[in-house]
Amino acid sequence: KQEVTQIPAALSVPEGENLVLNCSFTDSAIYNLQWFRQDPGKGLTSLLLIQSSQREQTSGRLNASLDKSSGRSTLYIAASQPGDSATYLCAVNDYKLSFGAGTTVTVRA
Amino acid sequence: DTGVSQDPRHKITKRGQNVTFRCDPISEHNRLYWYRQTLGQGPEFLTYFQNEAQLEKSRLLSDRFSAERPKGSFSTLEIQRTEQGDSAMYLCASTDTGGQGDEKLFFGSGTQLSVL
Repeated sequence: KQEVTQIPAALSVPEGENLVLNCSFTDSAIYNLQWFRQDPGKGLTSLLLIQSSQREQTSGRLNASLDKSSGRSTLYIAASQPGDSATYLCAVNDYKLSFGAGTTVTVRA
Repeated sequence: DTGVSQDPRHKITKRGQNVTFRCDPISEHNRLYWYRQTLGQGPEFLTYFQNEAQLEKSRLLSDRFSAERPKGSFSTLEIQRTEQGDSAMYLCASTDTGGQGDEKLFFGSGTQLSVL
């Protein structure tokens, strides 16, 4: 069974600081890995998808890397803003998504 | 493309009652998933459909839970004889599996169930 772990569980930073969120998974036989954002009481918004053949994916201030062999992915958010405050979820796709518990980020103005 | 739509957004019910949720996926998405999320946890897989066929059900989906996707379009999730432990956010997601691995899942806003 695929196990997905996200560290840290919570993170608080001042505005402008770069964020580093970590995700690890136990089974490397995946199709892709997806990072999501979730605001309180809301659904999930897809941020980035990295296919198993890719090493990284970028969108604006977001960059995600994937090391499938070691079962790790990292999400970098550059120059954080208060609007980045949310829970970030990592999910690996081996035909269905298995999620980590998320990292709750607070960016202080 | 109006996104994945779920109805209702919130449902409060008494223990022992039956509830039904609806999900309308993005049009022409052939795969549909149901997930359940409790506070502080990531979503947990419940079941998924490829068109109208239900291909897998999680052990989390007890006999009190049933899901359908008639005609491969919208889906319903019914919970019979609700229990307080059923209180959670129920999320629906859809995707188009015709790609080459670039199968991004799109989620609805969820149905928040509270069982009193």
